Amino acid sequence: AQKITQTQPGMFVQEKEAVTLDCTYDTSDPSYGLFWYKQPSSGEMIFLIYQGSYDQQNATEGRYSLNFQKARKSANLVISASQLGDSAMYFCAMREPFRYGGATNKLIFGTGTLLAVQP
Amino acid sequence: NAGVTQTPKFRVLKTGQSMTLLCAQDMNHEYMYWYRQDPGMGLRLIHYSVGEGTTAKGEVPDGYNVSRLKKQNFLLGLESAAPSQTSVYFCASSSSVTGQHNEQFFGPGTRLTVL
Repeated sequence: AQKITQTQPGMFVQEKEAVTLDCTYDTSDPSYGLFWYKQPSSGEMIFLIYQGSYDQQNATEGRYSLNFQKARKSANLVISASQLGDSAMYFCAMREPFRYGGATNKLIFGTGTLLAVQP
Repeated sequence: NAGVTQTPKFRVLKTGQSMTLLCAQDMNHEYMYWYRQDPGMGLRLIHYSVGEGTTAKGEVPDGYNVSRLKKQNFLLGLESAAPSQTSVYFCASSSSVTGQHNEQFFGPGTRLTVL
């Protein structure tokens, strides 16, 4: 079965420092996609970054980068130069592989990490 | 573009009452989804649809029904609400174009309380 594990329920980071949010996944399929979403206290879900299992390079989007280690099945989110506005819940998600349900883009979510950025 | 919208934003029901949550998207997406979010459990898929007129069960479908009569709308129904259905409900949509990231776009959520 496909599974996403986020082992850090909460994290603190000082403003302007970098922080890594952990995500491990479990799948036996060679083709999959990994997503990170941000959920601020206002509640909306904001897409941050995507990594495909066949992508040659780690994904980057501005201050967000993904430390993708395929052999370890980890896809950690790195936020550089943390800002107060980065305080939020962060979810890692995996797209269900095609062979399990066809092309549905269904996502399996982790339980999230609550990040607090301190001034 | 409004993206994904949900109505209502808040609702309080008594046990046994019924209601329908409406989701609408203006991005011409084929795929639509309903999730519930409970503390400490992340988002769990209730039902989803891969096109107009088609629906399928997700991880936690019991007590819910859905319909997708129009491509842009996806309705979630609770026929007889129970306190265990107190949750925040999110609708999402995504493109079906191959070769793209096809991230899901989420609505703002509906906070439902069942007394």
